[in-house]
Amino acid sequence: DSGVTQTPKHLITATGQRVTLRCSPRSGDLSVYWYQQSLDQGLQFLIQYYNGEERAKGNILERFSAQQFPDLHSELNLSSLELGDSALYFCASTAGATSREQYFGPGTRLTVT
Amino acid sequence: AQTVTQSQPEMSVQEAETVTLSCTYDTSESDYYLFWYKQPPSRQMILVIRQEAYKQQNATENRFSVNFQKAAKSFSLKISDSQLGDAAMYFCAYSYAGGTSYGKLTFGQGTILTVHP
Repeated sequence: DSGVTQTPKHLITATGQRVTLRCSPRSGDLSVYWYQQSLDQGLQFLIQYYNGEERAKGNILERFSAQQFPDLHSELNLSSLELGDSALYFCASTAGATSREQYFGPGTRLTVT
Repeated sequence: AQTVTQSQPEMSVQEAETVTLSCTYDTSESDYYLFWYKQPPSRQMILVIRQEAYKQQNATENRFSVNFQKAAKSFSLKISDSQLGDAAMYFCAYSYAGGTSYGKLTFGQGTILTVHP
């Protein structure tokens, strides 16, 4: 158990819908990273937050957004969902603004039908 | 942009034997970290081993060790005394420690390791 929690574990929704994925980092960790794992694209970095502020952006679609709250949990919002958004979404946390090692949550499996 | 390449989509090994997984990367930076992550069928991403680029000594964690060749930009993982529980997808990953990257991980495509009893 990495100490990072993600909810829900599984999510099935229809095209065009909007979903919210939630992540709670390890106790004391200030940085949260979001990654997407799909068959087509492999594992890709989406976005990073550090202590409530956005720090780095990767290949994140405009339909996707994220935020980190004062209690340090983070949410990834996916809207206007398409079939191609079906993937495993991971969050990872680390103590500082840069990471020597990241600890991953169990992931949320999103299926868009 | 940094890239990570794992040229072996699949590897297999007999239980108790040794196997080496290959990884190459491309970067113009001198200060970075390299990692191997394991993803078993449960899909959990588990950190196996970490190497700092400024360290010449190869990292070792129990049965897992790396061969880090900075000039060649090569970072291979050796698993000794393979066990059935080592069967998983293994990802090589790169992280630049400075600038605006803020530690994001760039992953290779992964290598599926099968362990035969």
